[in-house]
Amino acid sequence: LAKTTQPISMDSYEGQEVNITCSHNNIATNDYITWYQQFPSQGPRFIIQGYKTKVTNEVASLFIPADRKSSTLSLPRVSLSDTAVYYCLVGGSGNTGKLIFGQGTTLQVKP
Amino acid sequence: EAGVAQSPRYKIIEKRQSVAFWCNPISGHATLYWYQQILGQGPKLLIQFQNNGVVDDSQLPKDRFSAERLKGVDSTLKIQPAKLEDSAVYLCASSWGGGRADTQYFGPGTRLTVL
Repeated sequence: LAKTTQPISMDSYEGQEVNITCSHNNIATNDYITWYQQFPSQGPRFIIQGYKTKVTNEVASLFIPADRKSSTLSLPRVSLSDTAVYYCLVGGSGNTGKLIFGQGTTLQVKP
Repeated sequence: EAGVAQSPRYKIIEKRQSVAFWCNPISGHATLYWYQQILGQGPKLLIQFQNNGVVDDSQLPKDRFSAERLKGVDSTLKIQPAKLEDSAVYLCASSWGGGRADTQYFGPGTRLTVL
């Protein structure tokens, strides 16, 4: 299973766009890239998933370059409530759909 | 739709005691996962069920941890005997199929403190 590397922490201010980049050099051909968000005392929550190019939903965008060795989660105009830990996961191509969580990126949004 | 339910939310025990956690997945979800999340770390998969069969339990400490999913719905995770290093949040998640990176829906977790 591909290992992911992402920054341990990031700071931002309300209203700014935040981009969190994840490296996954050993991604397999059929692996998906998935991002989860976790607030304190809660379980992780699915944000977005993609395979290649760009995916956008109501809360975020996911940019994946052609070589798929990295991906960038983009959060537009963050608010204080976006303060959380963000996990980048790569995998799911096997029969089990197994995903491995790394340490995640702690995003702190300041007023 | 109702989310993943877990109980209890908190549990404090002494080392060498036993403890059990319960999980009720989202209705219709075939796959159920148990994760252990130690403070400051990402969740670690302990066991994955597809219906009532075990798909992956490679990281489950089988000398002290056990899990079952009777009738392919509810599941229980047991620790016997507990050690200090078992202090963590135990998360249950479920998904439709379990393959191709299906979205996993997590419960609120059970925070276990072992004294």
